[in-house]
Amino acid sequence: GENVEQHPSTLSVQEGDSAVIKCTYSDSASNYFPWYKQELGKGPQLIIDIRSNVGEKKDQRIAVTLNKTAKHFSLHITETQPEDSAVYFCAAKMDSSYKLIFGSGTRLLVRP
Amino acid sequence: DSGVTQTPKHLITATGQRVTLRCSPRSGDLSVYWYQQSLDQGLQFLIQYYNGEERAKGNILERFSAQQFPDLHSELNLSSLELGDSALYFCASSVIGDSNQPQHFGDGTRLSIL
Repeated sequence: GENVEQHPSTLSVQEGDSAVIKCTYSDSASNYFPWYKQELGKGPQLIIDIRSNVGEKKDQRIAVTLNKTAKHFSLHITETQPEDSAVYFCAAKMDSSYKLIFGSGTRLLVRP
Repeated sequence: DSGVTQTPKHLITATGQRVTLRCSPRSGDLSVYWYQQSLDQGLQFLIQYYNGEERAKGNILERFSAQQFPDLHSELNLSSLELGDSALYFCASSVIGDSNQPQHFGDGTRLSIL
């Protein structure tokens, strides 16, 4: 079945620096890749998503890139701020499936 | 605020008991998904309903069941509870269930089994 691997498990950056989180998926039929941010005591919040017919998508300081050949996608956060500190999850979904397969999460700490 | 409402926020009970978790989807969303989040298993898909009918099943135990009512709210029933059932249970909703529409999550119910 589909599997999603996420790295790193923890990431500490200085405020203002960039942060990159990478995910690899196993099933080449996957065609939808959302990213979620989860703060303490809250549910996962959708921050950006990308579909397989697009290679890159950007929303202000957040961007996602997709490499279908290598079956990996990445989240890029530029000019990080302390409020970016949270756990980030990637996920993948096949069009024929109804469920999201989540990565194991990355705990991002932005040091002021 | 995602617009998905889950109640209760916290639930503490004992082994062998039965609990019901409730979810109200975002206005206009027809599909509801249930996920379990534990420290060792991460976020795991349990079950999906679309407009009142079960659409997909994931790693849901036979002791667990769910339903979606005509007003589109959903309930997840957990019975014969075991210590290992302690986890966060999330509900998500989307407009429809069979395309790549974003899923929006509630803030979850934290279930603690003593």
